[in-house]
Amino acid sequence: EPEVTQTPSHQVTQMGQEVILRCVPISNHLYFYWYRQILGQKVEFLVSFYNNEISEKSEIFDDQFSVERPDGSNFTLKIRSTKLEDSAMYFCASIPARDRGHGYTFGSGTRLTVV
Amino acid sequence: AQSVAQPEDQVNVAEGNPLTVKCTYSVSGNPYLFWYVQYPNRGLQFLLKYITGDNLVKGSYGFEAEFNKSQTSFHLKKPSALVSDSALYFCAFDQIMIYNQGGKLIFGQGTELSVKP
Repeated sequence: EPEVTQTPSHQVTQMGQEVILRCVPISNHLYFYWYRQILGQKVEFLVSFYNNEISEKSEIFDDQFSVERPDGSNFTLKIRSTKLEDSAMYFCASIPARDRGHGYTFGSGTRLTVV
Repeated sequence: AQSVAQPEDQVNVAEGNPLTVKCTYSVSGNPYLFWYVQYPNRGLQFLLKYITGDNLVKGSYGFEAEFNKSQTSFHLKKPSALVSDSALYFCAFDQIMIYNQGGKLIFGQGTELSVKP
C-alpha cells in the first residue's frame, strides 16, 4: 500500500537554528498538508498546499515557517529560527483530490526536539 | 466555528468487554467524519469514515462507528476490546472550502483508550 514517507524520524536542534522536515507524499496525490502535535495533545493543522502554492495556513504558521515542493516528489517544511515551543511531532499528509470521501494518508511523523 | 469534540480524555475497558469512544460534531451541512488511531510513537492511522449512506460504518481492526444525525454524534465502538487496542483515538471532520479547492482535516482532542487484561 502506498505510503507517505517522512524524514528524519527524530531531529534535535538548538534554539535559533533552522530545520527542514522532509516528506514524500504518495505519487499521484495533489493536496499536501502539515500538522503538528505537541506531545500527547491535539493534532493541529499548520498548512495546506496545492498547485505549488499555499491554500490555507493556520495562525500557528507564522513567518518563521515556510513550505516548498522543490521537485516532483518532496514536500518540505522549514522552520527558520526554532523556538523551544516548536518541539512537537510534525506530520505530513496527502490526498489525491478534494472530492470528499478520501481519507487523508499520514506519514509516521518527525519528532522535533528544540533544546 | 465548526468542530468535533471528544468528551472523554481517557476510557478504561477490560479486555473482552465492549468499548465506546465518544465523538460529537458541530458541522454544517453533511459532515464527512473520520476516526484515526495513534499507537505510541507512531503516526496516525485511518480507521474508518462516514461520507453518506448507512449510518453504521465498519472499519479496520473490528471497529465500527455509528453516525447519529439527531444527536450529532459519531461514536467509535468495538464489541470486544483487545489489549492491543490501547492507543490514542482521534475523531475528525473534513472541512471543505469549495471556492478555493481548500479544506483540511480538523481533529478532536483525542481519547486515550486503555484496555487491561
